[in-house]
Formats: sequence, C-alpha cells, structure tokens
Amino acid sequence: AQKVTQAQTEISVVEKEDVTLDCVYETRDTTYYLFWYKQPPSGELVFLIRRNSFDEQNEISGRYSWNFQKSTSSFNFTITASQVVDSAVYFCALGTSYGKLTFGQGTILTVHP
Amino acid sequence: NAGVTQTPKFQVLKTGQSMTLQCAQDMNHEYMSWYRQDPGMGLRLIHYSVGAGITDQGEVPNGYNVSRSTTEDFPLRLLSAAPSQTSVYFCASSYQPGTSFAGYTFGSGTRLTVV
Repeated sequence: AQKVTQAQTEISVVEKEDVTLDCVYETRDTTYYLFWYKQPPSGELVFLIRRNSFDEQNEISGRYSWNFQKSTSSFNFTITASQVVDSAVYFCALGTSYGKLTFGQGTILTVHP
Repeated sequence: NAGVTQTPKFQVLKTGQSMTLQCAQDMNHEYMSWYRQDPGMGLRLIHYSVGAGITDQGEVPNGYNVSRSTTEDFPLRLLSAAPSQTSVYFCASSYQPGTSFAGYTFGSGTRLTVV
C-alpha cells in the first residue's frame, strides 16, 4: 500500500521568508512518481513539480526547489522568498505505474505581508 | 484543447437521489481517475481506469459506479446519495506513466452537497 505523510498541518511565515514543506512517503514499487500540487482558495489543483523515482537529481525552478532523498523516502519542497500569493494548501502526492495517486493530508501555508 | 472538463461545478442532492458526475478529456489520455476531497484528509481515490473498458476500485469506492466506454469520458455515478458523500470531486487524466511521464491533469472539481 502507498502512504504519504505531511507532518506539518499548518505553517505561517512572513513574506520573503524561505519555507520548506516536508513529505515522507511509503511504497513497495521500484518505479514511482512524486508530485507537489498547490490548491489556492479558488479550489483548483495546480501542478508544481514532479520527480521520478529513478532520478534523484534535485533542481531549482524559479523560487521552487525540492530535495528528493530515496534513502529516507522524503520529498521536501522549498519556496524561496515567499510571497502572499503563495498562501494555499500544498499537497504531496505519490503516483504509481497504474495511474493512481496517493495524496498527503496537505499543509496549509499562510504568508503574511 | 480544453484539458479535463468536469460538469456540473456545483450540485445539491437530496438523500437517496442518484446522479452522474461527468468527466471528459480531449488529450487522448489512457488513464483517468476520480478523487474526493474532504476537509483535512487530502484527496482519496474512488475509481480509476487504464483504458476504455477497464476500470478498478480505489481506496473509497463504496456508493459509486464508473464505466469507461470511450477514451474521452469517465462518468462517476452516485447510486443513492448519502450525506457522507458531501465532498469535492476531482477527475484526473494522464498518459501511461513512463520515463517521459509529465503528470496528471486535473479538472476544476465538482462541489457536491447531499442534504
């Protein structure tokens, strides 16, 4: 069975602070995919980043970066220089080869001006 | 290219009524799935399909039916609505995951209230 745990229920930061969202996953599959989605107050799911299990290279994309470590089954997501518009619920998700996604409970991020 | 289209966006049902949530995609994606989102619980998989004529149950399938007669459409049927089915429903689609897998496309959601 797949499982995704986001230990942080809510995070509150002041604008321009860096913030890291934690994600730990469990799976027996050797091939899997990890995602971060953003859900703003309007309710839609916005794709942010994806990482395949066979590629542990960490990257930076604009203000977003991620740290994928298979040894600890973690896929943490960092927003640099946070902005008020980053306020949203962030979901970590684990995908299998059958097109099934398992989501974490979500982390509510509030960025104060 | 409309992506994933869900209808209706909002719906209120009375307990015991039945209805169908529609999901259509125009990207020729093989994989489609339905999720429900309840407060504080993230999204949970209801049913999924890996191609026309092939469906399977997810984590919370009870009270829901699906069929996939075409690649484009994947309707979700509520057989006899219950207040516990009050939720936001998302449909998603993707190509078959592989080395160039780009991820899932989500619809904008259907907010269902059962009274």
